[in-house]
Amino acid sequence: DVKVTQSSRYLVKRTGEKVFLECVQDMDHENMFWYRQDPGLGLRLIYFSYDVKMKEKGDIPEGYSVSREKKERFSLILESASTNQTSMYLCASSLLLEGTGANVLTFGAGSRLTVL
Amino acid sequence: AQSVTQLDSHVSVSEGTPVLLRCNYSSSYSPSLFWYVQHPNKGLQLLLKYTSAATLVKGINGFEAEFKKSETSFHLTKPSAHMSDAAEYFCVVSITGTASKLTFGTGTRLQVTL
Repeated sequence: DVKVTQSSRYLVKRTGEKVFLECVQDMDHENMFWYRQDPGLGLRLIYFSYDVKMKEKGDIPEGYSVSREKKERFSLILESASTNQTSMYLCASSLLLEGTGANVLTFGAGSRLTVL
Repeated sequence: AQSVTQLDSHVSVSEGTPVLLRCNYSSSYSPSLFWYVQHPNKGLQLLLKYTSAATLVKGINGFEAEFKKSETSFHLTKPSAHMSDAAEYFCVVSITGTASKLTFGTGTRLQVTL
């Protein structure tokens, strides 16, 4: 069964700390994504990567950076955490449906971050 | 530009009664459309997808959705709700072939009562 694994389910950090969220997929997918999920706002794209060492900003990249040194691993970094970054963070990887070009996402279970 | 609107933030049904979760979309191109489900404290799971083949799409757990271009809608239905269907449901529109261009709705929370 295909899997996207997020290393931490729950984290509590203090304002100003550096935070690393790790995501690993075992499906050999080219594309990987980091989303933020907040009540009433749905999912918002922070960054995505379509290849090793490649990254593109999503809709809300401010305050975040990412790293993709290996195909299977995509890390989200908060250089200096702030209280407004308290949220659920979801990692996903995607498969392009053959013949359609449509992206189908496989999600991890999420990492709930609280910044105090 | 593309957008998706889920018309109800919360829907409550009795077990055994039909489910209707409404989704309208806007897209300048031929869209792909998806429904994902999120159970409490879990990631999102694909329920079904429309990619310009049959307009009536069947998914997992007895759910289906119909693509209606004239109404720009992609409503999710199920004939008979089960307690295990209680979750949050997201409608998603995608521009074909563009990895980043996935737009999520704000979600509909489905409550199923006895």
